[in-house]
Amino acid sequence: TQLLEQSPQFLSIQEGENLTVYCNSSSVFSSLQWYRQEPGEGPVLLVTVVTGGEVKKLKRLTFQFGDARKDSSLHITAAQTGDTGLYLCAGRTDSNYQLIWGAGTKLIIKP
Amino acid sequence: DTAVSQTPKYLVTQMGNDKSIKCEQNLGHDTMYWYKQDSKKFLKIMFSYNNKELIINETVPNRFSPKSPDKAHLNLHINSLELGDSAVYFCASSQGTGALLSGNTIYFGEGSWLTVV
Repeated sequence: TQLLEQSPQFLSIQEGENLTVYCNSSSVFSSLQWYRQEPGEGPVLLVTVVTGGEVKKLKRLTFQFGDARKDSSLHITAAQTGDTGLYLCAGRTDSNYQLIWGAGTKLIIKP
Repeated sequence: DTAVSQTPKYLVTQMGNDKSIKCEQNLGHDTMYWYKQDSKKFLKIMFSYNNKELIINETVPNRFSPKSPDKAHLNLHINSLELGDSAVYFCASSQGTGALLSGNTIYFGEGSWLTVV
């Protein structure tokens, strides 16, 4: 079974702090995406990574795809209350074109 | 303009009823999806249609029947609703079903909150 495990499941920190959330698997992914889902809304794509070791930055968010393409991390610098939401990772393997989803990390940034 | 719109956003209904959720996308995409997100926030694909043809049909009770009258619409009909059907149902669309590249982003609707009582 191909699974994407996200950790931590829940994270609550103060505004201004830094944080990292993880998306891990024993499977190799041809590509991986990170989404943010705010309460009452659908998931919205943040980034797609396709190359092992790739690092992408989106303002204060830094996304890294593991060298072996089995894992990914999202680092947020100086978190803001607007970063609050559910962060989902989703990946696709070469053997299965269906998208595999992690269960998400629920992030709360306190003012 | 909303890219993927689904109605209703909230639905409370009794066990045993039949209900439908409608979805429309104005992005010109040829692939549409229905996802179920349970109370633990886990997104699970239910169905996918490409150009009105069913291409993904996960292990879903046959009380759930999708219908795609054209590639811009994918409706979900649920018969004999059960308590366990309570969840958020997301419609989504993408251009194609191939590699997960930046150009093949999945766009989600805002979700339909279904509560079965």
